[in-house]
Amino acid sequence: DTAVSQTPKYLVTQMGNDKSIKCEQNLGHDTMYWYKQDSKKFLKIMFSYNNKELIINETVPNRFSPKSPDKAHLNLHINSLELGDSAVYFCASSQAQRTYEQYFGPGTRLTVT
Amino acid sequence: GQNIDQPTEMTATEGAIVQINCTYQTSGFNGLFWYQQHAGEAPTFLSYNVLDGLEEKGRFSSFLSRSKGYSYLLLKELQMKDSASYLCAVRSYNYGQNFVFGPGTRLSVLP
Repeated sequence: DTAVSQTPKYLVTQMGNDKSIKCEQNLGHDTMYWYKQDSKKFLKIMFSYNNKELIINETVPNRFSPKSPDKAHLNLHINSLELGDSAVYFCASSQAQRTYEQYFGPGTRLTVT
Repeated sequence: GQNIDQPTEMTATEGAIVQINCTYQTSGFNGLFWYQQHAGEAPTFLSYNVLDGLEEKGRFSSFLSRSKGYSYLLLKELQMKDSASYLCAVRSYNYGQNFVFGPGTRLSVLP
């Protein structure tokens, strides 16, 4: 079974649309994350979330919002997509006591046209 | 703010030893991490240093000097499958315990 899964793997959409990327982990972890990796391969944290606290990278536009229906899921909603949102988005999870060891999902390649 | 620097690319030969350096500037330091990322795949955890010194894990070792803001990842007995990007990441108390990743070093292992 896949530890951290994301859907879809590829997402092509037009500017101005609203889209969601789903993430699920079956590791029993209590902290989940969203990262963005751009064309230059920089991996940047967007959000980290456990059942007590949401930490937002202040550089993330408020068009991006994480939604967690339960501990095993952290979905990413993006409103009014822009060309610059094109990137690979990775979901990750970790145990609170071992946040240094994060398990990443396979990534979602988002292309905005 | 935080600043992390790594060489962009390195090349080494199968069976050799390679050292990938990482320098960082941060306040509230709370750990340095190395991740491996093969092309088109997700990053995977390699090592973690929070105190000065060397951590060894099989063919991979990681070293940290907090006073110098410096770390390196040492890969021994290189194999072709070690061709990947190696990402240095720093965690800070001042950054909500989240990671800041460096630009990554793309390592090519040649036969």
